[in-house]
Amino acid sequence: AQSVTQLDSQVPVFEEAPVELRCNYSSSVSVYLFWYVQYPNQGLQLLLKYLSGSTLVESINGFEAEFNKSQTSFHLRKPSVHISDTAEYFCAVSTIIVGGFKTIFGAGTRLFVKA
Amino acid sequence: DTEVTQTPKHLVMGMTNKKSLKCEQHMGHRAMYWYKQKAKKPPELMFVYSYEKLSINESVPSRFSPECPNSSLLNLHLHALQPEDSALYLCASSQPGQGYGYTFGSGTRLTVV
Repeated sequence: AQSVTQLDSQVPVFEEAPVELRCNYSSSVSVYLFWYVQYPNQGLQLLLKYLSGSTLVESINGFEAEFNKSQTSFHLRKPSVHISDTAEYFCAVSTIIVGGFKTIFGAGTRLFVKA
Repeated sequence: DTEVTQTPKHLVMGMTNKKSLKCEQHMGHRAMYWYKQKAKKPPELMFVYSYEKLSINESVPSRFSPECPNSSLLNLHLHALQPEDSALYLCASSQPGQGYGYTFGSGTRLTVV
């Protein structure tokens, strides 16, 4: 069975500092990996995804994630964070189950950007 | 239109009430989902509809009854809920398949009293 583990429940960081949110997955087959962001009192928004090809994927707001097959990781990074990046970030993996596919979410990492 | 719209945004209901949550999308997505999210927890899958047919039911209690009237609408009918069912209920849509990311609505905050 596929699963995803987010290693940090909270990450406090100062504004304009770099940040890395860690995610590890377990899978015996091809993986499809995603990062979602959830701002307070809102639904989740897709940040970026890895399906195949280049191992480095980027989002439009400066985040990037690198797929590392040997380390089974998909860490999310941003070189300089803003106060507005404060949110909950979920790593997710798409898995095959009876009846179709489903997306499994990690426990989430709360990014708190301080002034 | 790149949104998933959920109504109502907030709902308070008694344990003997019957209510419905509604979800609508006009992106041409043919898969729609209901997720339940408790505070400080990740979303948990409840139901998946693919091409308007229920394809996955994650052993959800029968007091939750999903319905997909057409390719743009998804309902969740609620009856005889328990206080522990209080949560944020999220609807999402995507194209069917494993590699598609989901578009989520902003959710319905449900409180059962």
